[in-house]
Amino acid sequence: AQTVTQSQPEMSVQEAETVTLSCTYDTSESDYYLFWYKQPPSRQMILVIRQEAYKQQNATENRFSVNFQKAAKSFSLKISDSQLGDAAMYFCAYKITQGGSEKLVFGKGTKLTVNP
Amino acid sequence: EPEVTQTPSHQVTQMGQEVILRCVPISNHLYFYWYRQILGQKVEFLVSFYNNEISEKSEIFDDQFSVERPDGSNFTLKIRSTKLEDSAMYFCASSPRTFTTEAFFGQGTRLTVV
Repeated sequence: AQTVTQSQPEMSVQEAETVTLSCTYDTSESDYYLFWYKQPPSRQMILVIRQEAYKQQNATENRFSVNFQKAAKSFSLKISDSQLGDAAMYFCAYKITQGGSEKLVFGKGTKLTVNP
Repeated sequence: EPEVTQTPSHQVTQMGQEVILRCVPISNHLYFYWYRQILGQKVEFLVSFYNNEISEKSEIFDDQFSVERPDGSNFTLKIRSTKLEDSAMYFCASSPRTFTTEAFFGQGTRLTVV
């Protein structure tokens, strides 16, 4: 079964500094998608960044970038120049397809605190 | 920017009562989902829906749960007889096509069963 593991329940970072959130996953598939979602206190799930497994180049969205290591099944999120608004729960997710349907499998999340 | 909207934002219900959670997916999306997040835990898949039928459901989605798209715009989740353990945040999501795109989530409905 596919699983997603986030080994850091909580992380903190100083404003303007860089922080890296870890995620590992387990799958036997060769083609899949990986996502990082942000859940601020408002509880809405907001997509931060996504990575296609067939692409070797790491995805980047402004201050957010990933380090995708396919062989190691690792997908970490780097947040540069951290801002107070980055404080949230961050969920790593893996998208699988089974029998034509789709679902996201989420990790347990990492709570990020940004200190002023 | 189009978004998924969910109503109500918070619902309190007595154990054993029926509840209907409502969602309006993004208008040109074809795939719809319900996820659940028990407080402090991870987000869990409940059900996916495509072409007016369930395409996949998890073991959580038992006979007490049902979904429907009654009028081509709303997408509802019904829990027939709520239990205390159904208390959670319920997220609706939609995506325009299969596999290659992310799901867009609504803001969630917090269900409290007392």
